[in-house]
Amino acid sequence: VELVESGGGLVQPGGSLRLSCVASGLIFDIFPMAWVRQAPGKGLEWVSAISRGGESIYYADSVKGRFTVSRDNSISTLYLEMNSLRADDTAVYYCARPDGYLYYPMDVWGRGTTVTVSS
Amino acid sequence: DVRMTQSPSSLSASVGDRVTITCRASQDVSNYLSWYQQRPGEVPNLLLHHASILHSGVPSRFSGSGSGTHFTLTINGLQPEDVATYYCQQNYRAPGTFGQGTKVEFK
Repeated sequence: VELVESGGGLVQPGGSLRLSCVASGLIFDIFPMAWVRQAPGKGLEWVSAISRGGESIYYADSVKGRFTVSRDNSISTLYLEMNSLRADDTAVYYCARPDGYLYYPMDVWGRGTTVTVSS
Repeated sequence: DVRMTQSPSSLSASVGDRVTITCRASQDVSNYLSWYQQRPGEVPNLLLHHASILHSGVPSRFSGSGSGTHFTLTINGLQPEDVATYYCQQNYRAPGTFGQGTKVEFK
């Protein structure tokens, strides 16, 4: 089972970025998926989660209205569209698999992709 | 949102010591509480879920207890590979908030 994130990089404040997470070795469309981030030297922050069919979606208050999570089960890929980026969005972004419902414990994690918001 | 508070923020211990980390929730989360270990430079790993159930492959020196708003993670016999930051997470409702972490170091 493997999750591989991509799409991170350096972006200016106010800019946009789309992260992707490709899953392999698991039946992608039977699991919810989540994004968790970690700012440099800081703790873990739960960002968003999406149900297996995309019907249920949750966001942390810190990203609500700016980030959009989606998934394409046909290509086993999870996305995070990030708009109006701010300096405090700078972090490593992990995709992870909740084992059960959307905010359940996450037993599979990707290695993360780094997003830096700076001018 | 449910606020999760861990204590202490950091601790130093010796090999073989018993280490206890506390996690408190701002509201009742029943037993919907998990613990993660993040070694330096690595990805978080799930240790326990539902407060006390050991995740597959996790050594038995790790144990968890509690329900409602008060939870503990115990390491019985600290090993060198246990140097890490430990996080609790409530799984009761969205967003699945984490505690701020407890850094475990060797004396």
